[in-house]
Amino acid sequence: ETGVTQSPTHLIKTRGQQVTLRCSSQSGHNTVSWYQQALGQGPQFIFQYYREEENGRGNFPPRFSGLQFPNYSSELNVNALELDDSALYLCASSLTSGGGYIYEQYFGPGTRLTVT
Amino acid sequence: DAKTTQPTSMDCAEGRAANLPCNHSTISGNEYVYWYRQIHSQGPQYIIHGLKNNETNEMASLIITEDRKSSTLILPHATLRDTAVYYCIAAGGGADGLTFGKGTHLIIQP
Repeated sequence: ETGVTQSPTHLIKTRGQQVTLRCSSQSGHNTVSWYQQALGQGPQFIFQYYREEENGRGNFPPRFSGLQFPNYSSELNVNALELDDSALYLCASSLTSGGGYIYEQYFGPGTRLTVT
Repeated sequence: DAKTTQPTSMDCAEGRAANLPCNHSTISGNEYVYWYRQIHSQGPQYIIHGLKNNETNEMASLIITEDRKSSTLILPHATLRDTAVYYCIAAGGGADGLTFGKGTHLIIQP
């Protein structure tokens, strides 16, 4: 069984630039969630994708957007980067049942984004 | 998600049982109690979850009080590798993600 993988591991960008982070789901999972974790804080929910559509979103502005592909992998895009976007970005995959229940989430190792 | 309250930090001796408490007095009937842990700079690791019955797996046991207002995660024989931040989360399995608080920093002492 392959776990959740993320790329790249580390990334340095300049304020105002755009960034794309990638995530491959654990096999058998059909749902992907993204979280932002600032230093010293717990992860904060950004959004969730199921059936290639966003079906849940936390308190993040529209410049945070995403995609889910037919193979259930996902991308997180952040436009107009700000210094406060510096954080560990975590992807988690899970299984959504036919009845809509979302089972436990399994996290990847994260991408460390630094905005200068 | 219901709010959870955990101690900021705890110590436990290696080889002893580590008991991590969590208060979730506003939990609703359809919300599960989930436990995750995060070792420094790694992604959170799923440990266990339960609704109202006690649960056990190869990593830990979860004891939920009858009124479901609190729970305890038990690591039966703690090792140094169990040093981590442990998060208790009450969530309904919907599309609004997991709400992480600050968790409990568990330090296993040799």
